[in-house]
Amino acid sequence: EIVMTQSPATLSVSPGERATLSCRASQSVSSNLAWYQQKPGQAPRLLIYGASTRATGIPARFSGSGSGTELTLTISSLQSEDFAVYYCQQYNIWPPTFGQGTKVEIK
Amino acid sequence: EVQLVETGGGLIQPGGSLRLSCAASGFIVSSNYMSWVRQAPGKGLEWVSFIYSGGSTYYADSVKGRFTISRDNSKNTLYLQMNSLRADDTAFYYCACIAVAGLYFDYWGQGTLVTVSS
Repeated sequence: EIVMTQSPATLSVSPGERATLSCRASQSVSSNLAWYQQKPGQAPRLLIYGASTRATGIPARFSGSGSGTELTLTISSLQSEDFAVYYCQQYNIWPPTFGQGTKVEIK
Repeated sequence: EVQLVETGGGLIQPGGSLRLSCAASGFIVSSNYMSWVRQAPGKGLEWVSFIYSGGSTYYADSVKGRFTISRDNSKNTLYLQMNSLRADDTAFYYCACIAVAGLYFDYWGQGTLVTVSS
């Protein structure tokens, strides 16, 4: 199965700053990658699919890029509600697999 | 509006059985691909099982032979029957819709906690 590795494990960012989260795949996932946001005590929420397409209702400050084995989630200007854990998930090759998550915390 | 509500979690002894339910509204379960995804406390996400609209089912190796996914079309409800439960099955279990465009999860329930402990 494809192993998804996210970095860093924890990212400390000040409100208003830019956050860049990385997701590396052990083999190519093409653009078949999704990003999720999870806040404490809540279910994950779909942010991005197809590596770069925002899900319904997701603000434009969230953007996804990359393909193959190196993919990135960028939050252009962090808002207070963006501090959470972010997971990537590939769905190019069975079985679908998740990264271990990146926690974005307030600096 | 799509809504998924899981019930049935709780404390169960190792070797026991439990059935989780996921009541859906705003869409038809039998017309969609559905899934269960779990998350051990403080850990990452792990898909557990899929059921496709045609009825085909798939399981993660970690639960194969012990868990069974099913649905009741008349109740618009998804189920996960869990047998021979082990301590490492302890997790929040989420019901999720699988997107039309690919095997990613576009709607999630709030989750139900299963604790396997003596």
